[in-house]
Amino acid sequence: DTGVSQDPRHKITKRGQNVTFRCDPISEHNRLYWYRQTLGQGPEFLTYFQNEAQLEKSRLLSDRFSAERPKGSFSTLEIQRTEQGDSAMYLCASSSGLAGGHEQFFGPGTRLTVL
Amino acid sequence: AQTVTQSQPEMSVQEAETVTLSCTYDTSESDYYLFWYKQPPSRQMILVIRQEAYKQQNATENRFSVNFQKAAKSFSLKISDSQLGDAAMYFCAYRSEFQGAQKLVFGQGTRLTINP
Repeated sequence: DTGVSQDPRHKITKRGQNVTFRCDPISEHNRLYWYRQTLGQGPEFLTYFQNEAQLEKSRLLSDRFSAERPKGSFSTLEIQRTEQGDSAMYLCASSSGLAGGHEQFFGPGTRLTVL
Repeated sequence: AQTVTQSQPEMSVQEAETVTLSCTYDTSESDYYLFWYKQPPSRQMILVIRQEAYKQQNATENRFSVNFQKAAKSFSLKISDSQLGDAAMYFCAYRSEFQGAQKLVFGQGTRLTINP
């Protein structure tokens, strides 16, 4: 399977715990995105990497959230001191930087439930 | 900031019929991209069709076509010969052409049901 993969697919945690999600993009894609999707809503942009550089962050990304892409390949999204409002689907997407490479390919998402 | 609005939370259509999903957007930019994404139940989001704002010709992909009205800032999706596999959430999305602006701005989505 050469698509975008995310791990874990589901995560249940208690309020106040830290969680970390992983995203593996399509191998030749240098751009990687994180979105958050709450039930019945469209995805909302969180952050974007080009290679290992984090180039844009949404104001939705509070200081409890941190994302990394250390070697320009996979990325991690960590949420510290989780709150019930963090419950959502976290989507990762990747795209190539080639001219015309505008399509973002999405992974299956990680569904987070904070109890 | 750009916004995308989908005013139809739910739509239904009989199998083999045609359905049109509406989308409007707000932007002050002249160059941008518009997309329709499909999200089947419990499955990942996939691109259905894409439109470059500088192109006057409406995009078409097999049974899927768009009606792009730039002046009206409208971007509707027409699905012809609807099939059971078309049942999904459909999201309209906007992306700026501004260099460095990579994020997609999504609408709220329309849930499409296909009646056999």
